[in-house]
Amino acid sequence: KNEVEQSPQNLTAQEGEFITINCSYSVGISALHWLQQHPGGGIVSLFMLSSGKKKHGRLIATINIQEKHSSLHITASHPRDSAVYICAVRAQGGSEKLVFGKGTKLTVNP
Amino acid sequence: GAVVSQHPSWVICKSGTSVKIECRSLDFQATTMFWYRQFPKQSLMLMATSNEGSKATYEQGVEKDKFLINHASLTLSTLTVTSAHPEDSSFYICSARLAGVLGNYEQYFGPGTRLTVT
Repeated sequence: KNEVEQSPQNLTAQEGEFITINCSYSVGISALHWLQQHPGGGIVSLFMLSSGKKKHGRLIATINIQEKHSSLHITASHPRDSAVYICAVRAQGGSEKLVFGKGTKLTVNP
Repeated sequence: GAVVSQHPSWVICKSGTSVKIECRSLDFQATTMFWYRQFPKQSLMLMATSNEGSKATYEQGVEKDKFLINHASLTLSTLTVTSAHPEDSSFYICSARLAGVLGNYEQYFGPGTRLTVT
């Protein structure tokens, strides 16, 4: 079982819909990252969370440390949001390494 | 947010030749840089962790003599794929770490370099 599980694997939505992508992890963490990877391959860091909630534009990320769960929400989705969204965690204990989920492929249709 | 650049963005080389990929942190100093590779439809796989001024730490199964990493300054790390083979064709991504408050490290990713070995 992967230490970081994302759901769903694939998600198709209509423009304007509210989208939620989930990430569950099995280890204690010091931080959780949400990343966006466009079809061309480049990766953009969206959020780094250790507690609570962060918002940037139409993106909202939340984390529940007790439940070992994080969600990424996209409000008023747009076709340009189509990408793979990746959850990655840094385990507690001073590890420098990120453990990556397998990603959620989001397609937003006009 | 902080910007990490990679050069080149794509490269095609012949089998047996060497290729150098540069990773730069443009507006911050990165004491640690990470090198990943990604095969199609797979997640990122950490190859090595590079600290400025010291030898890189390679992950198990990654040949250090084949993938040479140099982290000469706080803003530049290079990955050289030596004697490239077609199976080295992949997407190589670097990431730079910025130390934050309370030890939470922000980590920023470069746009990646697509290597094709013919």
